[in-house]
Amino acid sequence: DARVTQTPRHKVTEMGQEVTMRCQPILGHNTVFWYRQTMMQGLELLAYFRNRAPLDDSGMPKDRFSAEMPDATLATLKIQPSEPRDSAVYFCASGLAAGAGANVLTFGAGSRLTVL
Amino acid sequence: SQQGEEDPQALSIQEGENATMNCSYKTSINNLQWYRQNSGRGLVHLILIRSNEREKHSGRLRVTLDTSKKSSSLLITASRAADTASYFCATADPTSGTYKYIFGTGTRLKVLA
Repeated sequence: DARVTQTPRHKVTEMGQEVTMRCQPILGHNTVFWYRQTMMQGLELLAYFRNRAPLDDSGMPKDRFSAEMPDATLATLKIQPSEPRDSAVYFCASGLAAGAGANVLTFGAGSRLTVL
Repeated sequence: SQQGEEDPQALSIQEGENATMNCSYKTSINNLQWYRQNSGRGLVHLILIRSNEREKHSGRLRVTLDTSKKSSSLLITASRAADTASYFCATADPTSGTYKYIFGTGTRLKVLA
């Protein structure tokens, strides 16, 4: 089965350090999403790409977060500098946007980030 | 902000019983999806219902959609212990980017053996 691959699966870092999370979407999918999941906020949409172009990053703290798709096989989410409140599970999902707004998402296993 | 809100937040039932979860959303939609998340895992797509459909079935799952009330329900019949998971609805507002999916707060389902 095709899958979305995320690395690292777990990351513990100290406040102020740079964190980079990577995602390999499913080949052929044209949309990529980054979500953050916490107990308090649930699943928050951070960034959304279609055909590698960033379409929406309104949910992302701009001063410290950045998301890119350098090519069709790689999406990155970077936090610099990291803060304890960034501790969460970060999910990448990809999908094939088709007609009538249908876009079934396949999620990666997530990257669990702990910032001390 | 959340597009969808699931109700109840948590549900505990006995194996063999039916489980019903509800989702309310805020904007117009082209379709609504339900996903399941097992503990420590990513979300898995269960079923998609389009805005012109009122009901859809897939195995033990039955989804209804009422666009006039901006609500949907997910029914799991004859539940099993393996159905224990969190369930989320997801919608995309066509006016803000048709394929941008926002997830609800989720319902935590526990099925007791």
